Amino acid sequence: DAKTTQPPSMDCAEGRAANLPCNHSTISGNEYVYWYRQIHSQGPQYIIHGLKNNETNEMASLIITEDRKSSTLILPHATLRDTAVYYCIVRVYSGNTGKLIFGQGTTLQVKP
Amino acid sequence: GAGVSQSPSNKVTEKGKDVELRCDPISGHTALYWYRQRLGQGLEFLIYFQGNSAPDKSGLPSDRFSAERTGESVSTLTIQRTQQEDSAVYLCASSPASGVYNEQFFGPGTRLTVL
Repeated sequence: DAKTTQPPSMDCAEGRAANLPCNHSTISGNEYVYWYRQIHSQGPQYIIHGLKNNETNEMASLIITEDRKSSTLILPHATLRDTAVYYCIVRVYSGNTGKLIFGQGTTLQVKP
Repeated sequence: GAGVSQSPSNKVTEKGKDVELRCDPISGHTALYWYRQRLGQGLEFLIYFQGNSAPDKSGLPSDRFSAERTGESVSTLTIQRTQQEDSAVYLCASSPASGVYNEQFFGPGTRLTVL
């Protein structure tokens, strides 16, 4: 699975959009981009995933560049409860293994 | 409905003792994963079960670590002769299948402290 690079930390004002970047320059054609987040003392929570098209769900939007070498997770109206570590994961489904390889993630601090 | 549950939530043990950690996946989920998270670190994959297929044990750090799963239900992670470096939160996740489209649902974890 390709390696991802994320900034270690970011701040965001409550009510504003939070834009979390992720670089995955070695991504290959059959690899998906996944985002999970982990709120303090809880297990990770799935947010969204995509292959090459932009995706949106009730939690967030995922913007993937045309060359697929980077992506941005957008939380449109951040709340204090969105304070968490956000993990960008690039994953290929091959054979029988569906494991996730977590990096260090980005710690997002939403401030009032 | 009920999510993934893990027990115990906290476990304190002495170096050299064996421990068993339990995971109850979401009913009907065929895939089950164990991860480890050391303090301030990201998650490390340990082992993965999918139906009746041979488990993927590629993440187990040593032969002191083993895991079993009964059918498509409960799983037990066993750590023998615990060491202080085994101290971590052990997280279990399940998913409907192993396909790339399927998100993993995580339990709250078991915090293991080895004294």
